[in-house]
Amino acid sequence: SQKIEQNSEALNIQEGKTATLTCNYTNYSPAYLQWYRQDPGRGPVFLLLIRENEKEKRKERLKVTFDTTLKQSLFHITASQPADSATYLCALYNNAGNMLTFGGGTRLMVKP
Amino acid sequence: NAGVTQTPKFQVLKTGQSMTLQCAQDMNHEYMSWYRQDPGMGLRLIHYSVGAGITDQGEVPNGYNVSRSTTEDFPLRLLSAAPSQTSVYFCASSYGRHFYNEQFFGPGTRLTVL
Repeated sequence: SQKIEQNSEALNIQEGKTATLTCNYTNYSPAYLQWYRQDPGRGPVFLLLIRENEKEKRKERLKVTFDTTLKQSLFHITASQPADSATYLCALYNNAGNMLTFGGGTRLMVKP
Repeated sequence: NAGVTQTPKFQVLKTGQSMTLQCAQDMNHEYMSWYRQDPGMGLRLIHYSVGAGITDQGEVPNGYNVSRSTTEDFPLRLLSAAPSQTSVYFCASSYGRHFYNEQFFGPGTRLTVL
């Protein structure tokens, strides 16, 4: 069956360090992969989209990689700040189903 | 622009009651969808619409009904509430008719069914 896995344990890092979050998937051939940020009590907010033929995408302090051989995406936040503390969700779009499927999210805590 | 708005913010229902969760967007988006979010399970798609008059089922449609009579509004109806429908519900919209575009989410409705 299709599965999207994000580390359910919170990731705790020190301010200034690089945070790296992982999104692994099985039995998918995603054409697009998206990352969202969600703060407590609020709806998710779109951050980045990467296509299957792109290896890497950057936006300010954010970087996403997409390895279709490993079936994995990595999401990096460089020079992390306490304000980056939130839950980060990955979502895969599969052409066949015209559906966006979300992972369970990873909570990031950046300590000053 | 208000973006995507949802009402109510909180709701408590008794088993068997029905209600409608409201969702509206002012960005002229064609695509609208409803998700539910449960702890540890991520967001799951309930129903979606690619334009006025067109709706389709998502991953978990049972117990829910939708209609899309205008571009702006996409209400979600719970026909006979059950405790398993206790969840946080999010409405989302996007440009075009495909999910791969950036999704704009509303603030959510927290529903408790007793």
